[in-house]
Amino acid sequence: DAGITQSPRHKVTETGTPVTLRCHQTENHRYMYWYRQDPGHGLRLIHYSYGVKDTDKGEVSDGYSVSRSKTEDFLLTLESATSSQTSVYFCAISEKEGAYGYTFGSGTRLTVV
Amino acid sequence: GQNIDQPTEMTATEGAIVQINCTYQTSGFNGLFWYQQHAGEAPTFLSYNVLDGLEEKGRFSSFLSRSKGYSYLLLKELQMKDSASYLCAVSFNDYKLSFGAGTTVTVRA
Repeated sequence: DAGITQSPRHKVTETGTPVTLRCHQTENHRYMYWYRQDPGHGLRLIHYSYGVKDTDKGEVSDGYSVSRSKTEDFLLTLESATSSQTSVYFCAISEKEGAYGYTFGSGTRLTVV
Repeated sequence: GQNIDQPTEMTATEGAIVQINCTYQTSGFNGLFWYQQHAGEAPTFLSYNVLDGLEEKGRFSSFLSRSKGYSYLLLKELQMKDSASYLCAVSFNDYKLSFGAGTTVTVRA
């Protein structure tokens, strides 16, 4: 399996608190992505990165920020968690864009109470 | 996001065949992927289509018609372990993958 790990695997947090999720890869892939998965919506892109310090917004980026200071790490931060951000978050990596599919991490289940 | 449509649920009997359809807007199309996702797990890659026609890989086959904006995933000789969600994902001009909501397949004995 591709070397991609997410931490934590599960988290419960209170409304209004900041939360950071981590994605770590050992594949040296250039592209990294954060998705959220909710019933009825499928996977929706939050933010993505095409290199160190190069990031951009996806379709559901409001309330989220990201950072990528090293090739292997891509952090997703919820600045002030809300109940609508309760979801399963998946990180994905890709060697190149286009014909190359994604490899996904195991996901982080986040509950905001 | 892009409109990628697939049925919500399908049920079939062990040993049977099931076909999961996926439709998408044709503008800016680059390629189509199918992923399998078991409950509580990460999606895993099944197939990739970029040209029209059928791609066969063991019990699983995937078909693409670019002009119709249509694909299907065919699962043959269904096994209980095939019970999962199947995600249709399309790469458009920006190369990011856009996903359908997924089809939950339940295989019954």
